[in-house]
Amino acid sequence: DAEITQSPRHKITETGRQVTLACHQTWNHNNMFWYRQDLGHGLRLIHYSYGVQDTNKGEVSDGYSVSRSNTEDLPLTLESAASSQTSVYFCASSSGTSKETQYFGPGTRLLVL
Amino acid sequence: DAKTTQPTSMDCAEGRAANLPCNHSTISGNEYVYWYRQIHSQGPQYIIHGLKNNETNEMASLIITEDRKSSTLILPHATLRDTAVYYCIVRERGYSTLTFGKGTMLLVSP
Repeated sequence: DAEITQSPRHKITETGRQVTLACHQTWNHNNMFWYRQDLGHGLRLIHYSYGVQDTNKGEVSDGYSVSRSNTEDLPLTLESAASSQTSVYFCASSSGTSKETQYFGPGTRLLVL
Repeated sequence: DAKTTQPTSMDCAEGRAANLPCNHSTISGNEYVYWYRQIHSQGPQYIIHGLKNNETNEMASLIITEDRKSSTLILPHATLRDTAVYYCIVRERGYSTLTFGKGTMLLVSP
């Protein structure tokens, strides 16, 4: 069955380190998204991509970057991790058809010390 | 500004219908109403969506008022596994991004 996976599921890092969170989907979806979820804020969009070589900034993109070199993967990079980036990160994908159902991964819990 | 308004929390007895309201009084003609839910520690899950007609699938029913200013998600026979945060989202046709509010925390009790 098609699925969307994230790795690692849990990560502890130190302030200032570069961190990359992986997202891989086997739906062959054109669209991929990264969200973060914090208490009191709900899910907020970080970056998204409508296809290979396409990336767009979301609501809270500062300090994050993404690149899309193939259809299946959209890695999220924290260039220099900050304590404010401690959060749960969710990746999602959608087909780009009119139905536009997003399918979410299981999430990555990131702690920045 | 939030496009939807939902109650913060609701309770429901197991086996009874859960009716979750959503107000979207500023919805425009080309905007859909989507419902997702998030069970604790999991990623959000799509439930149902509609434009102006009532919709039903294996998970739930969506009732949209004639003026489209509000809608109700109905879980016909709630189970303990339906305990989750339910998000009502308005999304413009042709756009792929979703904007999540704070949702309604539904607690289903025995």
